[in-house]
Amino acid sequence: DAKTTQPNSMESNEEEPVHLPCNHSTISGTDYIHWYRQLPSQGPEYVIHGLTSNVNNRMASLAIAEDRKSSTLILHRATLRDAAVYYCILRTSGGGADGLTFGKGTHLIIQP
Amino acid sequence: SQTIHQWPATLVQPVGSPLSLECTVEGTSNPNLYWYRQAAGRGLQLLFYSVGIGQISSEVPQNLSASRPQDRQFILSSKKLLLSDSGFYLCAWRETGTGVSYEQYFGPGTRLTVT
Repeated sequence: DAKTTQPNSMESNEEEPVHLPCNHSTISGTDYIHWYRQLPSQGPEYVIHGLTSNVNNRMASLAIAEDRKSSTLILHRATLRDAAVYYCILRTSGGGADGLTFGKGTHLIIQP
Repeated sequence: SQTIHQWPATLVQPVGSPLSLECTVEGTSNPNLYWYRQAAGRGLQLLFYSVGIGQISSEVPQNLSASRPQDRQFILSSKKLLLSDSGFYLCAWRETGTGVSYEQYFGPGTRLTVT
C-alpha cells in the first residue's frame, strides 16, 4: 500500500466541525482512500472510503483533492465520542486479500 | 447481521507458556480473516491472514502461528510465549466475492500480558 502522512494529533471543541488531513502524494490511479478510527481500548472501525469524488455517510464526509494527492476527513459536529485515533489508508482497487497497513494515525482530542 | 467474537477478553500468561486465542465470525460465508497485534504505544501490525480453510499467510516471522480449522474460525497460537508477545490482539474479517464492500470489521480484541 502507498504511504500516507497524517498529523500526530489534533484538538477540537465539542459540537464544532473537525477537518482531519491526509497526504498521499504517491497514490496510484487504482488506490482507494479508506479511513478507519480506533476508540480507546477497542478495535478499529471503518469510517468511510472514496476514489475520486467526495463521499458522505452517516459518520463523516470525505473530501478528495482534484489531483488525489491529499484528502480530508470531515466530522461535521464533533462529540466527545469522536475522540479516537484516525487512520488514513490507501488500498488498491478491490482491496486485495491481504490486510490493512496502519500508520500512526491522528490522535483526535475533543474538548468539552 | 454479521458479528465477530474473540476470547478471552484479557489474559495474563507467564513467559514460556502456550497461547491459544480464538476468533469466530457469524452471519457470513468464506470471509477473509486477519490477526493483528498492537503493542503498547505502537501501531497495528498485521500478523496473519487467511483466504480459506487451512490457508494461512504470515506477514511477520515470529513465534506465533495461526490456523483456520473451519470457515469462520481463526486461531492464534504460540508454543512458548515471550515478553515481547504482550499486546492487544485483534481479529478482523472481510467479505469476499464480487460487488461486496471491502471494509474490514474488527473484533473486540484480547489484551495479553506476558509476565
